[in-house]
Amino acid sequence: DGGITQSPKYLFRKEGQNVTLSCEQNLNHDAMYWYRQDPGQGLRLIYYSQIVNDFQKGDIAEGYSVSREKKESFPLTVTSAQKNPTAFYLCASSRQLNQPQHFGDGTRLSIL
Amino acid sequence: GDSVTQMEGPVTLSEEAFLTINCTYTATGYPSLFWYVQYPGEGLQLLLKATKADDKGSNKGFEATYRKETTSFHLEKGSVQVSDSAVYFCALSGSQAGTALIFGKGTTLSVSS
Repeated sequence: DGGITQSPKYLFRKEGQNVTLSCEQNLNHDAMYWYRQDPGQGLRLIYYSQIVNDFQKGDIAEGYSVSREKKESFPLTVTSAQKNPTAFYLCASSRQLNQPQHFGDGTRLSIL
Repeated sequence: GDSVTQMEGPVTLSEEAFLTINCTYTATGYPSLFWYVQYPGEGLQLLLKATKADDKGSNKGFEATYRKETTSFHLEKGSVQVSDSAVYFCALSGSQAGTALIFGKGTTLSVSS
């Protein structure tokens, strides 16, 4: 079955550490996205990528970094510069930017 | 710029009640409109969509009609079930090239038996 796989489901970070969240899709989609979800705040776009080797900042990119070296993969690194990283992170993909998005099941990141 | 406004929740209903979740939008051009659903601890799933004015999207008993004259895309269901308890997001495809979907803030629905 085609879909989006996010791993791990739960992740814990110590203060001052960088952590990388994995996102893989086998839908042959060109566009991929990272969102952050906090209670009562809906989805906020962190980064998105229209095509391999290209990505754009979203609304809350500070403290995060991404890469898009392969069409299937769009990992997100939460750096130590992100002062409040505890949240639910969702990855999504779509054929092109303005088309319906398919979502992974999310990674919940917590600070130890 | 383009935007989506949803009614604030939570919406609390008894089983078999009628559901309406309001969604209005601001956009130039002719966006496509979507409803997504998020069950606890999961990602979002596309529930239904409409791509042009007067289109009706439907799925799993849910319906929404693209009303250009009122810039609305309200979600309705005639008889909700406990299993419909989730967060519902309205979204539109932005009119500017190179932009991602624009999501509303989500409306939490809680259905009790």
